[in-house]
Amino acid sequence: DAGVIQSPRHEVTEMGQEVTLRCKPISGHNSLFWYRQTMMRGLELLIYFNNNVPIDDSGMPEDRFSAKMPNASFSTLKIQPSEPRDSAVYFCASRQTSGGRTDTQYFGPGTRLTVL
Amino acid sequence: AQSVAQPEDQVNVAEGNPLTVKCTYSVSGNPYLFWYVQYPNRGLQFLLKYITGDNLVKGSYGFEAEFNKSQTSFHLKKPSALVSDSALYFCAVRDSKLIFGAGTRLAVHP
Repeated sequence: DAGVIQSPRHEVTEMGQEVTLRCKPISGHNSLFWYRQTMMRGLELLIYFNNNVPIDDSGMPEDRFSAKMPNASFSTLKIQPSEPRDSAVYFCASRQTSGGRTDTQYFGPGTRLTVL
Repeated sequence: AQSVAQPEDQVNVAEGNPLTVKCTYSVSGNPYLFWYVQYPNRGLQFLLKYITGDNLVKGSYGFEAEFNKSQTSFHLKKPSALVSDSALYFCAVRDSKLIFGAGTRLAVHP
């Protein structure tokens, strides 16, 4: 299995530009999570989906951030317009969620975003 | 609300010595506890988890963790540290989502 795939691995953009981060979860996993990691704030959960439906987006910082999961094998996190304070590493993770089973969450390699 | 605490920002250990990275939790009901490791410029990697059963859980890379219900702890341990174990370690508890601690940086010195 290829694991969770994220693209791009690195993104450098200028303030005000739109940024789109992409994630392909592990095949068969039905839960997907977007995290942001910074030195100051640590690891923050932004949003997660079950069966392509957003369940909890309370971690999304503001309206400039949006996430979609159009199908079971693809999700995007979009920032529009981007700001320097959005600079961080963004991780995607996936998990198989079924009934009461507690399965492991697996992380992608992350996208390092720099907004100038 | 579920939460975990990692009381140490950094742990320093000499190579070959045993290591412990501490984690305490607060949950209602049965805890589902996890440890992850993050190497520089990498994503988080799963190490081990406790769901039920034996209090001593064995995981990857020779790590183990001891679940202690009376002390509400889930400390990560390894009998003999390696320099290559130097990384950032996260404890987590599962609610509907994973709730992570702030992380502990482990530095193993030769």
